[in-house]
Amino acid sequence: DQQVKQNSPSLSVQEGRISILNCDYTNSMFDYFLWYKKYPAEGPTFLISISSIKDKNEDGRFTVFLNKSAKHLSLHIVPSQPGDSAVYFCAASEVSGTYKYIFGTGTRLKVLA
Amino acid sequence: NAGVTQTPKFQVLKTGQSMTLQCAQDMNHNSMYWYRQDPGMGLRLIYYSASEGTTDKGEVPNGYNVSRLNKREFSLRLESAAPSQTSVYFCASSRRGEGQPQHFGDGTRLSIL
Repeated sequence: DQQVKQNSPSLSVQEGRISILNCDYTNSMFDYFLWYKKYPAEGPTFLISISSIKDKNEDGRFTVFLNKSAKHLSLHIVPSQPGDSAVYFCAASEVSGTYKYIFGTGTRLKVLA
Repeated sequence: NAGVTQTPKFQVLKTGQSMTLQCAQDMNHNSMYWYRQDPGMGLRLIYYSASEGTTDKGEVPNGYNVSRLNKREFSLRLESAAPSQTSVYFCASSRRGEGQPQHFGDGTRLSIL
């Protein structure tokens, strides 16, 4: 029973266009959502996060949107650059004091020059 | 500027052998984690340590043990390796608190024959 789902295994986007990566979750107790980027042979690196009390968070070219009623979040990258080509994971945690995160399966983004 | 350091980077074991994966962080983080990444499965939590002196099971703890040696170090032990434990293992650390991003090492690629 996967609580965090990334239903698109891969996505290709032209350089300069918008990349939209999606994530769905089933646990209504999740209160924080994070996005990580992962290059081959490296560990994931933190990108951006959002609390469940917000519906949008921006950091430069990266914006995360949260729709709690739909249990859906998305990461927008504008404009997309070839260096953004990587695997993107969303992760969620619930208010429990355990500080555990549940990760999605990842979406491989390829930005075409 | 080391962050999270994992050793070894690669290892090949025979079924039944034992092995300890080492992890150390220099960011004075309270919480540490061990994940495994398998194709199509995302990152799955094996064990975590919310703070020095405590350890708890994650999603897939069977076949593993952990030791939080001190605040800096968190090791993962395979007592009797099985082919199903062939995976890439990531260690991570974070500040204690809700929504804190995790910092990952570059992984240990483990093959069990």
